[in-house]
Amino acid sequence: QSVLTQPPSASGTPGQRVTISCSGSSSNIGSNYVYWYQHFPGTAPKLLIYRNNQRPSGVPDRFSGSKSGTSASLAISGLRSEDEADYYCAVWDARLSDWLFGGGTKLTVL
Amino acid sequence: QLQLQESGPGLVRPSETLSLTCIVSGGSIISSNYYWGWIRQPPGKGLQWIGSIQFSGNTYYNPSLKSRVTISVDTSKNQFSLRLNSVTAADTAVHYCVRQRGYCTDGVCSPFHYFYMDVWGRGATVTVSS
Repeated sequence: QSVLTQPPSASGTPGQRVTISCSGSSSNIGSNYVYWYQHFPGTAPKLLIYRNNQRPSGVPDRFSGSKSGTSASLAISGLRSEDEADYYCAVWDARLSDWLFGGGTKLTVL
Repeated sequence: QLQLQESGPGLVRPSETLSLTCIVSGGSIISSNYYWGWIRQPPGKGLQWIGSIQFSGNTYYNPSLKSRVTISVDTSKNQFSLRLNSVTAADTAVHYCVRQRGYCTDGVCSPFHYFYMDVWGRGATVTVSS
């Protein structure tokens, strides 16, 4: 069981806005940057959001990240069928001296 | 465009040593702005950071795996490697190599926990079985 908690699944219809949450504690999300990754099985995971809310070049502005206290969220607006993938949050835990990942959220576009 | 490619045996026997190499192409491994790491995902489970190394040889390891892990770097071949000894079935996983990006100014670099994973390999499956 992951120290970072994500919902195992999320869904939406094309064009909708979907949010995926990531819940942690003061030693990880509460005191360090949060990162988000998109993963299509069998391929290399892709960085979507770094330092809580920054997008690497090439990532559409439909993807956005936020953080408040010990929780973080990834929002995807204007949902598209190609967004159907697994999404992971990641953060450094200062107490464990470990990079932690959420359990992953499988996004389905209905 | 930087690419990472994992290579190594897909099957390892229990109690033996798992060895993987990550070949870095499209960029140099020699930079203080990066660490190079390994992450694994057992079947049906979450991602777990194993450890990371900088071109200088400076390493950080997951405390839960530290006693069994060695990560090394070969700058002449632009690659880095993972060795995990005394493996059991619980070490069966897809293993990813990653680049971790930080930042340095005037020779002073950010602390390790600011080096985030920005480029991943496609992963290599290693099964531990007799």
